[in-house]
Amino acid sequence: AQSVSQHNHHVILSEAASLELGCNYSYGGTVNLFWYVQYPGQHLQLLLKYFSGDPLVKGIKGFEAEFIKSKFSFNLRKPSVQWSDTAEYFCAVNPYSSNTGKLIFGQGTTLQVKP
Amino acid sequence: NAGVTQTPKFRVLKTGQSMTLLCAQDMNHEYMYWYRQDPGMGLRLIHYSVGEGTTAKGEVPDGYNVSRLKKQNFLLGLESAAPSQTSVYFCASSYAGQGGANVLTFGAGSRLTVL
Repeated sequence: AQSVSQHNHHVILSEAASLELGCNYSYGGTVNLFWYVQYPGQHLQLLLKYFSGDPLVKGIKGFEAEFIKSKFSFNLRKPSVQWSDTAEYFCAVNPYSSNTGKLIFGQGTTLQVKP
Repeated sequence: NAGVTQTPKFRVLKTGQSMTLLCAQDMNHEYMYWYRQDPGMGLRLIHYSVGEGTTAKGEVPDGYNVSRLKKQNFLLGLESAAPSQTSVYFCASSYAGQGGANVLTFGAGSRLTVL
């Protein structure tokens, strides 16, 4: 079955530390890839997406992600986190062939940034 | 522009009771989705719709029914609520992107507790 795995369930960092959240998926075909963020008490918002082209994509608030096809990975990075980045982060995959737009989500990673 | 609106935001039910969650979008999106979010499990797709009058099952459809009588509305019904259906429910919608290359817009969520 298709699945998305986020390796880090709970990450605690101090402000200005660098962040990398891992995401791997199990699907052999062409995929569309997403990172969504959920701030405390809010709904999910799109951070960034990859459909095609340059495998290094930049999103909002200084986040970026790199698609490595050979590793089936789409890791999220930020060079210097802020307290306001405290949130839950979800990686999601849409198989190109599905044509329905439905997403398969990872389990989520809770990021806590200490001031 | 309200985006995706879910009602109610909170609800407490007793086991065996029924209820309907309403999702309304004003973006003229073709696709609509219902997800449930549970701790440590990310978001799981319950049902989805690719157009008015059409519905399809997602990953966890048991115990739920849906209807899409109007393009802008997607209803999620629980016929006989069970404690296992205690969750936060998110509705989302999107345009019909080619090959699934579409971005979902999420509602604020509906927190349901079944006693």
